[in-house]
Amino acid sequence: EDQVTQSPEALRLQEGESSSLNCSYTVSGLRGLFWYRQDPGKGPEFLFTLYSAGEEKEKERLKATLTKKESFLHITAPKPEDSATYLCAVQARVHTGNQFYFGTGTSLTVIP
Amino acid sequence: KAGVTQTPRYLIKTRGQQVTLSCSPISGHRSVSWYQQTPGQGLQFLFEYFSETQRNKGNFPGRFSGRQFSNSRSEMNVSTLELGDSALYLCASSWGALNTEAFFGQGTRLTVV
Repeated sequence: EDQVTQSPEALRLQEGESSSLNCSYTVSGLRGLFWYRQDPGKGPEFLFTLYSAGEEKEKERLKATLTKKESFLHITAPKPEDSATYLCAVQARVHTGNQFYFGTGTSLTVIP
Repeated sequence: KAGVTQTPRYLIKTRGQQVTLSCSPISGHRSVSWYQQTPGQGLQFLFEYFSETQRNKGNFPGRFSGRQFSNSRSEMNVSTLELGDSALYLCASSWGALNTEAFFGQGTRLTVV
């Protein structure tokens, strides 16, 4: 069964304390893996798309990496404004077309 | 550049009724996709439209349907509402290929009583 699992569910960091969020997936026909950030009461905000194992992308304090079974979102020296829920999604090719599977997210809190 | 606009922002309906939600994508975007977000299930893909054609569909019952107009605006309809349909409904638009860089609206919060 196609599935996306994110861990941890919640993470509390001190400002400046680097860490990583994990997204593991079990889908066949991977077409892309996406990271989003979602603030309370708002829609998700696109961060990255990764298409193949070994690919890496960076944006400010965030860096996303992809292997054949999982992706990591590394947060370097986080600031309080990085507090949000980070969502991972996978686009997979199925017999009916394309499907999207979202993880349930990691809620990140950065304490000043 | 205006973002994705969803209307209404909040809606309360009674079980058994039907509801129509609207999504106006970013100007120039031709793909619109819809998602349901609930605390228990997270974000779940409903369907995607591109140039007025439904291109992909998630695992939702036939009570959930949608359409896209020639100006790329999209509507989603849910018939015979159930309590479990209470959720945040999000729409996302992208320029072309599905979800390459999708921009989400703020969502419509639907409460079924």
